[in-house]
Amino acid sequence: NAGVMQNPRHLVRRRGQEARLRCSPMKGHSHVYWYRQLPEEGLKFMVYLQKENIIDESGMPKERFSAEFPKEGPSILRIQQVVRGDSAAYFCASSPGGGVSETQYFGPGTRLLVL
Amino acid sequence: EDQVTQSPEALRLQEGESSSLNCSYTVSGLRGLFWYRQDPGKGPEFLFTLYSAGEEKEKERLKATLTKKESFLHITAPKPEDSATYLCAGLMDTGRRALTFGSGTRLQVQP
Repeated sequence: NAGVMQNPRHLVRRRGQEARLRCSPMKGHSHVYWYRQLPEEGLKFMVYLQKENIIDESGMPKERFSAEFPKEGPSILRIQQVVRGDSAAYFCASSPGGGVSETQYFGPGTRLLVL
Repeated sequence: EDQVTQSPEALRLQEGESSSLNCSYTVSGLRGLFWYRQDPGKGPEFLFTLYSAGEEKEKERLKATLTKKESFLHITAPKPEDSATYLCAGLMDTGRRALTFGSGTRLQVQP
């Protein structure tokens, strides 16, 4: 009964490169959420997706960031032309999708370091 | 703006010394209040969900309670393995599914 899986667990990029973070939700879950935790700060919501649909991207920076959750395969958070300020832990969470107040279960996170 | 505030920021307890962590929220409405535990280098681990004032949930040495303005996480006779950062998060009455997190309480339990 695997939980939420994220890979890679650690990612190092140089300024200007692209970062791709992957998230596989828990079995039976069809809703995915991405959060970012900057150093010494709390978790901040970025985007909420269902299969093939972005439902709420109000927390995602307008430029360089994009997210998708295709019909097949994991959800992807993509950061283009990374800058040092993108260094953070990125967490994915998933929920079954049956209720608007349901619990979100988190993965182990991807720690992105931009040099 | 919806806000979730946790106190204290850090707490050091002796093993067996019971205490409570506070989570207060200032929102127009709350659909759910969630408690998570986060160990260094790991993702938040779900503990409890509370939906209405007066509700209580219990698990081993932890008990979560909810009032109309705040939630408490009571830790009874803690052990060193309870050391972690405890996060609370609110699901606000806006129809959105984005959790609003507090900044956490770092708990250290010394043997």
